[in-house]
Amino acid sequence: GNSVTQMEGPVTLSEEAFLTINCTYTATGYPSLFWYVQYPGEGLQLLLKATKADDKGSNKGFEATYRKETTSFHLEKGSVQVSDSAVYFCALSSYSGYALNFGKGTSLLVTP
Amino acid sequence: DADVTQTPRNRITKTGKRIMLECSQTKGHDRMYWYRQDPGLGLRLIYYSFDVKDINKGEISDGYSVSRQAQAKFSLSLESAIPNQTALYFCATSDQSAGGPIGEQFFGPGTRLTVL
Repeated sequence: GNSVTQMEGPVTLSEEAFLTINCTYTATGYPSLFWYVQYPGEGLQLLLKATKADDKGSNKGFEATYRKETTSFHLEKGSVQVSDSAVYFCALSSYSGYALNFGKGTSLLVTP
Repeated sequence: DADVTQTPRNRITKTGKRIMLECSQTKGHDRMYWYRQDPGLGLRLIYYSFDVKDINKGEISDGYSVSRQAQAKFSLSLESAIPNQTALYFCATSDQSAGGPIGEQFFGPGTRLTVL
C-alpha cells in the first residue's frame, strides 16, 4: 500500500540556517506529492506540491523536487526564520487512493 | 470567513458521554474527511465521504460514527467517549468532481477534545 516516511523531529535550527526535512514514499503508479505545514494552534495548510517526476514545488522560499528514482520529496529552505517554526507533513495521493497518505510530521523550531 | 469551520474548537467531556463534532464548508467540495492527530502518530483517517450518500470507514473508525447531513456538513460522533479518544480532530475537504487522484485537501482549524 501507499506510505510516507519522514525524518523524526524535533529539528532545532538557528535563524538563517539551511533546512532539509527528508521524505520518502512507497506507492504504486505515479503519485502526487505534497508538503503541508501546521502552525501552532492551526489546521494544516498546503505549502507546496508536485504532480509528476522531476517537478519542483516551491512556495515561501521552500522547495521540494519529486525524485522518482529515489522515491523522495525532500523539503528544503535556504535560510529559515523564526516564523517558520511549525510542524511539516509530507503526503501523497494516487489514483488508487481515497485520501491523502500523511507522514507522521516533523516539528521544526527556529531560534533567534 | 474561513472556508472550513469546526465547532467546538475545544471540548472537555467525561468518559461515557456522547459528543458530536461538527464541520461545515463553503468551498462547494464534494469530498469531506475526518482525521485525528496524536503526537508522534501524525494524521489518521477516521471516515471519509464522497458525497451525501457515500460514506466510508477509514483506518481507525472503531468508536466513531459520522453523518453527512448535506454536501456542506459532515459531523463526527463519539457514542461513548473514552480517554484514548483524547486528540486533535480535523475536518478536511477536497474537490474531486473532475476525477483523477486526490488533489489538495483543505483543513479546518481543528477541535481539541479531552476525555476525562
